[in-house]
Amino acid sequence: SAVISQKPSRDICQRGTSLTIQCQVDSQVTMMFWYRQQPGQSLTLIATANQGSEATYESGFVIDKFPISRPNLTFSTLTVSNMSPEDSSIYLCSVDRGMRQGYGYTFGSGTRLTVV
Amino acid sequence: GDSVTQMEGPVTLSEEAFLTINCTYTATGYPSLFWYVQYPGEGLQLLLKATKADDKGSNKGFEATYRKETTSFHLEKGSVQVSDSAVYFCALSALGGNNRLAFGKGNQVVVIP
Repeated sequence: SAVISQKPSRDICQRGTSLTIQCQVDSQVTMMFWYRQQPGQSLTLIATANQGSEATYESGFVIDKFPISRPNLTFSTLTVSNMSPEDSSIYLCSVDRGMRQGYGYTFGSGTRLTVV
Repeated sequence: GDSVTQMEGPVTLSEEAFLTINCTYTATGYPSLFWYVQYPGEGLQLLLKATKADDKGSNKGFEATYRKETTSFHLEKGSVQVSDSAVYFCALSALGGNNRLAFGKGNQVVVIP
């Protein structure tokens, strides 16, 4: 199974600043996904990142606020830009272990972000 | 669209009690169904899965059966331990789409010694 290293594990940031979250996978994967988990809530998909193309964003999420990079098949970053307290959440990356074969996603350990 | 509904509210029970967490789904086609667990301070881990009707997923004493007739995938464990305290998420993936996961709201389970 794929192992994902996600960092930072947590951060406290000032409003108006930006934070970049990194995910490194120990094997090549086609699709990487970024989720947000707001306090006490379930996971919401932010965007899907494929190598060599622009990320595909879900309704309610825009590239200017959450720019994503996917420079190769093992790495991706998510930036939370111009942060406000409403951005305080856990952000998780995940990879597709082969959904068409009925496997679930593997998730990183998450980045717990607090904006003050 | 595809969606997952989990029973409301946290679940508090004593050690060795029987645990049931209800999950129902709405999907076009034949989705794969999953239960994920999130232990305190950690990311999500796949607990079990089922890919077709009547399949039973099982892991660590937990079981869930894919019931197409009732569109359900309830999670059960016969005798819980304190170490089972976590948040449990039901999820589905509808094949033929873009393979995204749709999650339920999650249930906090607290097991008291």
